[in-house]
Amino acid sequence: DIQMTQSPSSLSASVGDRVTITCQASQDISNYLNWYQQKPGKAPKLLIYDASNLETGVPSRFSGSGSGTDFTFTISSLQPEDIATYYCQQYDNLPFTFGGGTKVEIK
Amino acid sequence: QVQLVQSGAEVKKPGASVKVSCKASGYTFTSYDINWVRQATGQGLEWMGWMNPNSGNTGYAQKFQGRVTMTRNTSISTAYMELSSLRSEDTAVYYCARAGLGVDYWGQGTLVTVSS
Repeated sequence: DIQMTQSPSSLSASVGDRVTITCQASQDISNYLNWYQQKPGKAPKLLIYDASNLETGVPSRFSGSGSGTDFTFTISSLQPEDIATYYCQQYDNLPFTFGGGTKVEIK
Repeated sequence: QVQLVQSGAEVKKPGASVKVSCKASGYTFTSYDINWVRQATGQGLEWMGWMNPNSGNTGYAQKFQGRVTMTRNTSISTAYMELSSLRSEDTAVYYCARAGLGVDYWGQGTLVTVSS
C-alpha cells in the first residue's frame, strides 16, 4: 500500500496567516492526489483534485501543488471558517490511502 | 443537485453483519464510481473500497477483503456496503462518496456501533 505522510498533524495560526500543509507519498503517484476539508460532525469536502485543481465553488485562497511524491496544500490567508481538519488522499493505486490529517486551529 | 443519502444509524452485536445503503440522485448513477470510507470517532479517514455501478466491478482494501461486499441496485440508484463478522473496532461512521473529478460528493454518513 502507498503510505501518505502528512505534516504537521496540527497547527495553530492567526487569521490572515499563510498556512502550508505537506503530504509525502511513499512512491510516485504522479498528480493523483486530492485534498479534503472536514469540519466536526460533517462529511469531508473536496477542495483540490489532481494535486492542483480547485474544485468548483472553493475559495481561491486554497491551492495545491506538487507531483510525484511531494505535495503542498496552502491557505493563503487563513479565515475563521477554515478551522477544520485537512486530509490528502492518493488515488494512483489501490487502496486509495489517506494522509493522517492536519488539524488547523486559530491562534 | 447531486445528493447521496445514506441509511440510518445501526447498532450491532459482535459477529453480526451490517448493510448500509446509499441512494444517489441528481446525476446518472451508473456514470460514476462509488467509494466507501469510514472514520472511527476522533480518528482519520480510512478508505474501504470502490464499486463501479455500471459493471458492478469492485475493489476492496486488503484489510477488508473477505468481510466487505459492495453491491448496487441500478433500478433505484442505490449502492450498498455490507460488512460482516463485526467487531468493536468496526464502530465508526461509514460514508459513501461519488468519484468524479476527485471524490466530489459525500453522503451524510452512517454511524455503525458494534457493542455487546
